[in-house]
Amino acid sequence: AQSVAQPEDQVNVAEGNPLTVKCTYSVSGNPYLFWYVQYPNRGLQFLLKYITGDNLVKGSYGFEAEFNKSQTSFHLKKPSALVSDSALYFCAVRDKGTGRRALTFGSGTRLQVQP
Amino acid sequence: DTAVSQTPKYLVTQMGNDKSIKCEQNLGHDTMYWYKQDSKKFLKIMFSYNNKELIINETVPNRFSPKSPDKAHLNLHINSLELGDSAVYFCASSQTGTRGYEQYFGPGTRLTVT
Repeated sequence: AQSVAQPEDQVNVAEGNPLTVKCTYSVSGNPYLFWYVQYPNRGLQFLLKYITGDNLVKGSYGFEAEFNKSQTSFHLKKPSALVSDSALYFCAVRDKGTGRRALTFGSGTRLQVQP
Repeated sequence: DTAVSQTPKYLVTQMGNDKSIKCEQNLGHDTMYWYKQDSKKFLKIMFSYNNKELIINETVPNRFSPKSPDKAHLNLHINSLELGDSAVYFCASSQTGTRGYEQYFGPGTRLTVT
């Protein structure tokens, strides 16, 4: 079975400071990993994904994520936070080996960027 | 152009009624999904269809029945609605062969059962 943990319900950061939203995963094989963002009353928007290759993945809106196989982590980062980044962020995983196409999501982390 | 669309956006109904939510994607994808987001924002897969064939059917009450008339549409019909069905339902799509099966989500349908 595959699972995702987002240990922080909320992350608070001041505008202009770097931000990190944490994610750890569990799969039986190799993972496909994703980050999505949800703004209030909106659907999920794709930010970035890790499939294979370079452990540092760059995505939309200046976000990046670092895949760490030994720690089974895929933390989302941004060097300088904007107030407009305030939203709900979801990490998701899919197990490459199972063929199961559905994503398993973490519980979400609310990012609050203060001006 | 909207990639994945859902109708209606809001649905308020009484217990015991039957309702449907429609989803359409114009991305040419061959796989579509229904996810449920509960009041705590937790997202969980309900169903998935590939080329109109059901490939994922999670532990969902059989009051929920998906229907895929073609690859571009996946509708969700719910019989005998219960209070616990209140949630936001998201449709998504992806394409076989694209690395990672990246999914694109619709705007969601907020269902409120009173």
